[in-house]
Amino acid sequence: DAGVTQSPTHLIKTRGQQVTLRCSPISGHKSVSWYQQVLGQGPQFIFQYYEKEERGRGNFPDRFSARQFPNYSSELNVNALLLGDSALYLCASSLAGERNTIYFGEGSWLTVV
Amino acid sequence: AQSVTQLDSHVSVSEGTPVLLRCNYSSSYSPSLFWYVQHPNKGLQLLLKYTSAATLVKGINGFEAEFKKSETSFHLTKPSAHMSDAAEYFCVVSGGGFKTIFGAGTRLFVKA
Repeated sequence: DAGVTQSPTHLIKTRGQQVTLRCSPISGHKSVSWYQQVLGQGPQFIFQYYEKEERGRGNFPDRFSARQFPNYSSELNVNALLLGDSALYLCASSLAGERNTIYFGEGSWLTVV
Repeated sequence: AQSVTQLDSHVSVSEGTPVLLRCNYSSSYSPSLFWYVQHPNKGLQLLLKYTSAATLVKGINGFEAEFKKSETSFHLTKPSAHMSDAAEYFCVVSGGGFKTIFGAGTRLFVKA
């Protein structure tokens, strides 16, 4: 079975632009969560979606938004990019909610110049 | 509220010697606890998890961790380090809401 897949793997954007990152969960997983990992730090929780509804949100500005589709895939959108948004964006999926093991994708490396 | 503290930012051991990576947690709920490993430029791989069953949890690659409620700790150990164990390790707490909290990470160095 395929694991969590993310696209694109690497991308470079200019300040002020917008970016969309995509994630496909493991088959059968209904929960998807997003994390930002800045170089040298641990992942920071951004969003969690379960059954297409937002169930949790971290301390990120409104420039960050996400959604989950009927097939449980997800997109993370970031508007008005700042240099500080440069990071590895990790998607994770799990069977259900909070206590289930989360499985991570390889991430999308975003560089803002 | 939940939080997790990894007590060492860096740990250095010699190959073949024991590994101890320390993690303390705080949770208002009965937590689920995890250890993940991240090799350079890679995603996160699950090592092991505790979800209120046995307090001594065995994971992959010879790692294990013991949940101690009285000490609010979940330290990761391995009897004998291997060069391939060199990586970043994250202690994670989950529960009491749809939010998963990562520790700051411990970088493990293994010397030949």
